[in-house]
Amino acid sequence: AQTVTQSQPEMSVQEAETVTLSCTYDTSESDYYLFWYKQPPSRQMILVIRQEAYKQQNATENRFSVNFQKAAKSFSLKISDSQLGDAAMYFCAYRQKSSGDKLTFGTGTRLAVRP
Amino acid sequence: SQTIHQWPATLVQPVGSPLSLECTVEGTSNPNLYWYRQAAGRGLQLLFYSVGIGQISSEVPQNLSASRPQDRQFILSSKKLLLSDSGFYLCAWSVLRQGEKPLHFGNGTRLTVT
Repeated sequence: AQTVTQSQPEMSVQEAETVTLSCTYDTSESDYYLFWYKQPPSRQMILVIRQEAYKQQNATENRFSVNFQKAAKSFSLKISDSQLGDAAMYFCAYRQKSSGDKLTFGTGTRLAVRP
Repeated sequence: SQTIHQWPATLVQPVGSPLSLECTVEGTSNPNLYWYRQAAGRGLQLLFYSVGIGQISSEVPQNLSASRPQDRQFILSSKKLLLSDSGFYLCAWSVLRQGEKPLHFGNGTRLTVT
């Protein structure tokens, strides 16, 4: 079974600085999708960024970018120029291409942003 | 545009009572539908998912059940709630057979079993 591991339960970053959240996963598949979701205090789940495993280029969405290392099965999220509104729980998620479209989540990293 | 509705937002139920949480999706057809549970301080645990009417896959054996009576309706039920059923329940949908498409989540239901 696929597993997703987020080894940092909590992280803290100074406003305007850069922070990287770690995520590793375990799979025997070669084709899959990876996602980062943000859950602010409102508890609404918001998609931050996604990556397709067959694409070597790292995905980027404004201040958010990923470092996708397929061989190492690593998918870290970098947040640049951190803002107070970035404070939230961040979940890494994996979806196998050939599955019934299940999305497997990690346990999350709580990010605090210091003003 | 597609929208997902989940209710109620908050629920307090005594142990042993039944449960029914409802989720409906608008603006799309034949969606994948999901029920996730988020316990305090933990990640999202997939409970059930459905790829079509009457097709339910259970991920975690427990006293919960799910049904999909209509294409865009997904219901989470229990005959007798346990204290351990407390948590935050999220319904989600995604486009069928398009794994690159993300899940879209409802606003969640906070269930407290007393």
